[in-house]
Amino acid sequence: LAKTTQPISMDSYEGQEVNITCSHNNIATNDYITWYQQFPSQGPRFIIQGYKTKVTNEVASLFIPADRKSSTLSLPRVSLSDTAVYYCLVGDKIRYSSASKIIFGSGTRLSIRP
Amino acid sequence: DAGVIQSPRHEVTEMGQEVTLRCKPISGHDYLFWYRQTMMRGLELLIYFNNNVPIDDSGMPEDRFSAKMPNASFSTLKIQPSEPRDSAVYFCASSFAGRATEAFFGQGTRLTVV
Repeated sequence: LAKTTQPISMDSYEGQEVNITCSHNNIATNDYITWYQQFPSQGPRFIIQGYKTKVTNEVASLFIPADRKSSTLSLPRVSLSDTAVYYCLVGDKIRYSSASKIIFGSGTRLSIRP
Repeated sequence: DAGVIQSPRHEVTEMGQEVTLRCKPISGHDYLFWYRQTMMRGLELLIYFNNNVPIDDSGMPEDRFSAKMPNASFSTLKIQPSEPRDSAVYFCASSFAGRATEAFFGQGTRLTVV
């Protein structure tokens, strides 16, 4: 069962780039790394997923080193609306199984200040 | 598609009463998940279904909790009898095979048991 470790909280300012790192030392060969974002009073929202190297979409970038034991979510030029909890998860992308449960940890509470 | 739809959005009930939470997953999705979120325990996976079949209910806290998925477009989570410690936000999510970890969450049901 892969587990993840990420900072409990982070603070930044509008316009800055924010990098949130997640450790997943026991990641399995079939596991993908997935990040979710959760705003208050809403359900989590998928933002990005990757297996190795770098993935970029309109919301964020995800950097994964060759050993895949960690990953970094990068949010460019954050705004106040990026204030949320960010969760890092690992699991089999293709099929969901009890052997590879996707567990939401405590997440990282990101606070953006003006 | 309107996304994952949950009802009711808010539920206040007295201890001992039966509570039924409802979920309509996104059409075509193979997996359905029920999560519970509290400040103390974070997001907990209660149960998940694959093609309407319950696969893993090891997260269901006790026999007072039960979940059903009679067809591909509807699921219920029932608590009978309810207790104050069941107060939480309950989320339903769905995803499809091939992108199992890219789950779409509903807006949640905030349950308060008094």
